[in-house]
Amino acid sequence: AQSVTQPDIHITVSEGASLELRCNYSYGATPYLFWYVQSPGQGLQLLLKYFSGDTLVQGIKGFEAEFKRSQSSFNLRKPSVHWSDAAEYFCAVGANFNKFYFGSGTKLNVKP
Amino acid sequence: SQTIHQWPATLVQPVGSPLSLECTVEGTSNPNLYWYRQAAGRGLQLLFYSVGIGQISSEVPQNLSASRPQDRQFILSSKKLLLSDSGFYLCAWSVGRENTEAFFGQGTRLTVV
Repeated sequence: AQSVTQPDIHITVSEGASLELRCNYSYGATPYLFWYVQSPGQGLQLLLKYFSGDTLVQGIKGFEAEFKRSQSSFNLRKPSVHWSDAAEYFCAVGANFNKFYFGSGTKLNVKP
Repeated sequence: SQTIHQWPATLVQPVGSPLSLECTVEGTSNPNLYWYRQAAGRGLQLLFYSVGIGQISSEVPQNLSASRPQDRQFILSSKKLLLSDSGFYLCAWSVGRENTEAFFGQGTRLTVV
C-alpha cells in the first residue's frame, strides 16, 4: 500500500538559514511525487512535482526537491528561508487512478 | 483558466444535524474530484474520489457520503453529524488518467458542537 512519512512535525529555522524537509514514501510502482504548502486556514498550493527525468526538480518560491529512489525519499530544500515561508508543508504521492496520498505535514516556523 | 469553489468557508453544526458541503470546478471537463479531511496532526486523509458523474469511491468507512450529480459538482454529506466529524474539509480536482497535480479549494472549517 502507498504511504508517505514526514518524520518532522515541527521545524524552526532562522531567517536566512537553509532548510530541508524530509519525506519518505512507500509505493510499489514508479512514484509521482509532490510538495504542497498550506498557509493557515487556506487550501494547498503546489510547490513542485516529480514525474520522471531529472531527479532534482525546481519549484516556485525558490524551493527544490531531490528524488532518491534508493532511499525512497523526496526531500524539500531551500538555501535561504524567508519569514514568509512559515507555513505547513505536505509531501504527497500520486497512486493508481489519480489518487493522491499525503503525509502528516511539517510545520515550519521562521525565527527573525 | 480553471477555478474551484468550495463553500461555506466555515460551519458550526450541532451533533445529529445533517451536513452538505458543495464544491464546483470551472474551466475544465470531466475532472477527477476529491474530498479530503484534515485533522490536527494527521495530515490530509482522502475520503472520497470520483472519476465521473455518479462514480464515487470511498477510501475509509465513515459517517459521511459523497455524490456527484453533475460533471463539475461534488457534494459531501452526512445525515447525522458526530463530534468526530469536526475538521477542515478540502475539495480538489485533477484531470486525466495519469498522475498530474491536484488543485485544491480553500477549504471548509466544520465544527460540530
